Amino acid sequence: GAGVSQSPSNKVTEKGKDVELRCDPISGHTALYWYRQSLGQGLEFLIYFQGNSAPDKSGLPSDRFSAERTGGSVSTLTIQRTQQEDSAVYLCASSRPGAGELFFGEGSRLTVL
Amino acid sequence: DAKTTQPPSMDCAEGRAANLPCNHSTISGNEYVYWYRQIHSQGPQYIIHGLKNNETNEMASLIITEDRKSSTLILPHATLRDTAVYYCIVRVGSGNTGKLIFGQGTTLQVKP
Repeated sequence: GAGVSQSPSNKVTEKGKDVELRCDPISGHTALYWYRQSLGQGLEFLIYFQGNSAPDKSGLPSDRFSAERTGGSVSTLTIQRTQQEDSAVYLCASSRPGAGELFFGEGSRLTVL
Repeated sequence: DAKTTQPPSMDCAEGRAANLPCNHSTISGNEYVYWYRQIHSQGPQYIIHGLKNNETNEMASLIITEDRKSSTLILPHATLRDTAVYYCIVRVGSGNTGKLIFGQGTTLQVKP
């Protein structure tokens, strides 16, 4: 596609349920990043993929959070047993090999009731 | 990566140049300066980056001081659509060598 695509754009769930957020990066982009942004706050780094491996997952806030990337393309961020503090916009970005410019998607807004 | 300091907010008159400062006094020789912006409810957008030379593209100019301890992003003719949060980030290398750390940025309000 023309840009980074994320789905769903909005997700409302109940506390304790699991959610999956999907990111389709720009074709050919080898690096993929997940960030989250709580209301009125800055961007918080979660995890970075180079190909299918994640050399930096230092930002995952707890073991309820996990992410995977398959085929060097699509990535899924999974949050298990969601809590109200997980409510945020989850942003995905990708970049070309050897390039520092990140292209961001529009995000997935997660609301945990 | 080195820490950056930006003013929390700035105003600019429409049609005038917007000059957004950033301090990065602990920057290392191999760290680049990146600028992104985030318009309300959208994902961040790349603007420009540089190492030590001044850079210009269709969106903005980046002026880096000779000692590289500070830089200024210049939007030459600000419009209302330039109202956004502007992030200054320093990062090792110009390639995709890992995460970008976003601070709180500068909220630029362009006024008619």
